[in-house]
Amino acid sequence: GEDVEQSLFLSVREGDSSVINCTYTDSSSTYLYWYKQEPGAGLQLLTYIFSNMDMKQDQRLTVLLNKKDKHLSLRIADTQTGDSAIYFCAESIGDYKLSFGAGTTVTVRA
Amino acid sequence: NAGVTQTPKFQVLKTGQSMTLQCAQDMNHNSMYWYRQDPGMGLRLIYYSASEGTTDKGEVPNGYNVSRLNKREFSLRLESAAPSQTSVYFCASKQQAASGANVLTFGAGSRLTVL
Repeated sequence: GEDVEQSLFLSVREGDSSVINCTYTDSSSTYLYWYKQEPGAGLQLLTYIFSNMDMKQDQRLTVLLNKKDKHLSLRIADTQTGDSAIYFCAESIGDYKLSFGAGTTVTVRA
Repeated sequence: NAGVTQTPKFQVLKTGQSMTLQCAQDMNHNSMYWYRQDPGMGLRLIYYSASEGTTDKGEVPNGYNVSRLNKREFSLRLESAAPSQTSVYFCASKQQAASGANVLTFGAGSRLTVL
C-alpha cells in the first residue's frame, strides 16, 4: 500500500529542537524524503535518506530512519522563526512516483 | 533559471466551465507531475508523465485530462469543473540524483476555486 502518515501540527519555542514524525507503509521504498513548504509557495526538498541508512545529518537537520517500524523523523536543532512552515514526509513508489503525507504545520513561537 | 513555471496563479470558475493549467520546466527533466493539495490530505497525484509522449493516471485522475505537449510542457485540463476540484494545484518535474534519489522540483502552485 501507499500511505504516509504524520501528525498535523507542532508548536515549538524558538531555540528549542523540533521533532517531526512520520510513518510509511511501503517496505520497498528505496528513498524517503522531507520537503518544506513556506506560505504561498511550492514544496522544496530539504533532505532525503536512503533506506539502508539509519541516520543522516545535514547542518541543523537530522533524519532518523527505523526501517523495521517504518518510522521516519526529522529533527531541527535550534529552531528559528524561519523554520515555520509545513513539512512533508514522502516515500518513493517505484521509479517514478512519490507518495506524500498530509504535512505537519510547524509554528515557532518566541 | 526559472525552474518550474505554472500559470495562472489564481483562477475562479463556475461549475461546468473548462480551463487548462499550464506548466513548463526549463531543466530538461524527463518526468513531470500534477498534484493537488487539500487541507489535511497532503499532496495527491493526479497524473504524471514519465517521459515525453507518455502519461499515466495517479491516485485521483477523475475529472482531469493531461497533455505532454513536448519535453518542457505538461498541461492539466478540467473539462467540466466541479466544486470538489477547488484546490491548489502543483506541477513538478523530476531529476534523478547521482545517488538514485528522485528529486522533485515544484512550481509555485495554482489556486483554483470552483463556485
